[in-house]
Amino acid sequence: GAVVSQHPSWVICKSGTSVKIECRSLDFQATTMFWYRQFPKQSLMLMATSNEGSKATYEQGVEKDKFLINHASLTLSTLTVTSAHPEDSSFYICSARIRDPNYGYTFGSGTRLTVV
Amino acid sequence: DAKTTQPPSMDCAEGRAANLPCNHSTISGNEYVYWYRQIHSQGPQYIIHGLKNNETNEMASLIITEDRKSSTLILPHATLRDTAVYYCIVRGWRNNNDMRFGAGTRLTVKP
Repeated sequence: GAVVSQHPSWVICKSGTSVKIECRSLDFQATTMFWYRQFPKQSLMLMATSNEGSKATYEQGVEKDKFLINHASLTLSTLTVTSAHPEDSSFYICSARIRDPNYGYTFGSGTRLTVV
Repeated sequence: DAKTTQPPSMDCAEGRAANLPCNHSTISGNEYVYWYRQIHSQGPQYIIHGLKNNETNEMASLIITEDRKSSTLILPHATLRDTAVYYCIVRGWRNNNDMRFGAGTRLTVKP
């Protein structure tokens, strides 16, 4: 089935530095990808919608200058957390919609970001 | 998309069937019922989906009531590895927007 590969699976960074998370569609083209954030014991919350070749659409309350999204190709979307702070520590997950109606959406394995 | 209501948590004995309910009383005619699960520290995993008829695959069965206002996900023989948060989501197939997640049901399978 369609697979979305997300890297890294975990990362620890110092406050003030930037971290890039990659999300690749391995065997299909994804014109749209979605980025979620999940805090402990909470559900997934949509951060932004990434569109290939155009600007991302951010949800209310998500700082677009802090969470930079680039979707330069049909198989790669990246999320860069700039000037990270401890409160940015979270589980970040990407997803893509696939054509096969049996799957609907496929999700990456997630990235655990810890800012120290 | 229609709102869904699920119990916050459930327990199930290993080897027994796990029946997870979901209420979606405002579902409209063109909306599907999707089930996903999220094992700790992993991305959500698709389980099954359906429109009107009951569905079965290698992972689970989905029973949808005739009026489509509720459904039940059945894991026929739960194992410890089925411990996860299970999300019931209702949405139109033509909806190209993101998948919206509620709180889900935390299923704990006990030995």
